[in-house]
Amino acid sequence: DGGITQSPKYLFRKEGQNVTLSCEQNLNHDAMYWYRQDPGQGLRLIYYSQIVNDFQKGDIAEGYSVSREKKESFPLTVTSAQKNPTAFYLCASTLSPRGNTIYFGEGSWLTVV
Amino acid sequence: QKEVEQDPGPLSVPEGAIVSLNCTYSNSAFQYFMWYRQYSRKGPELLMYTYSSGNKEDGRFTAQVDKSSKYISLFIRDSQPSDSATYLCAMNPDSWGKFQFGAGTQVVVTP
Repeated sequence: DGGITQSPKYLFRKEGQNVTLSCEQNLNHDAMYWYRQDPGQGLRLIYYSQIVNDFQKGDIAEGYSVSREKKESFPLTVTSAQKNPTAFYLCASTLSPRGNTIYFGEGSWLTVV
Repeated sequence: QKEVEQDPGPLSVPEGAIVSLNCTYSNSAFQYFMWYRQYSRKGPELLMYTYSSGNKEDGRFTAQVDKSSKYISLFIRDSQPSDSATYLCAMNPDSWGKFQFGAGTQVVVTP
């Protein structure tokens, strides 16, 4: 079945450590996105990528980094510079950069202690 | 002011009732409108997709868009306990990377 796979589902890290969240899609979608979801705040865009080896900052990119070396993969690194990293992270994709329907993975819960 | 406003709820209804959800928005450039269902600790699942104004029906779900009022609605008929979830509205002005989401409305359907 086609879809977006995120791993790990749950992740605990100590403060000051970097952590990388994996996102893989087999939908053959061109564009991929990372969102952060906090209670009562809706989804906030961290980074998005239109094509391989290209990505753009979203609204809350500080403290995060991404790479897009393959079309199907868009990993997100939460660095120690991110002041409040505990959150639910969602990877998403659209068929094309101007795609009008966005599809989501199952999410990754990151808890920093 | 947020571009998309959505009442957080919770909205509690008895089984079999109609669930009525809505979002208002401020950006008149939005052209594409979506509704997602999100179960606890899961990713959002696309329910309905509508372009411009009008109604769209799919099974028990009806989506309405009123661009003149900048108001969209989702109706769920014959609600079931399995419909208990958070419902997110989303919209897009046909410019990539610019999806805007409501904060979500929590719905509880009681048996």
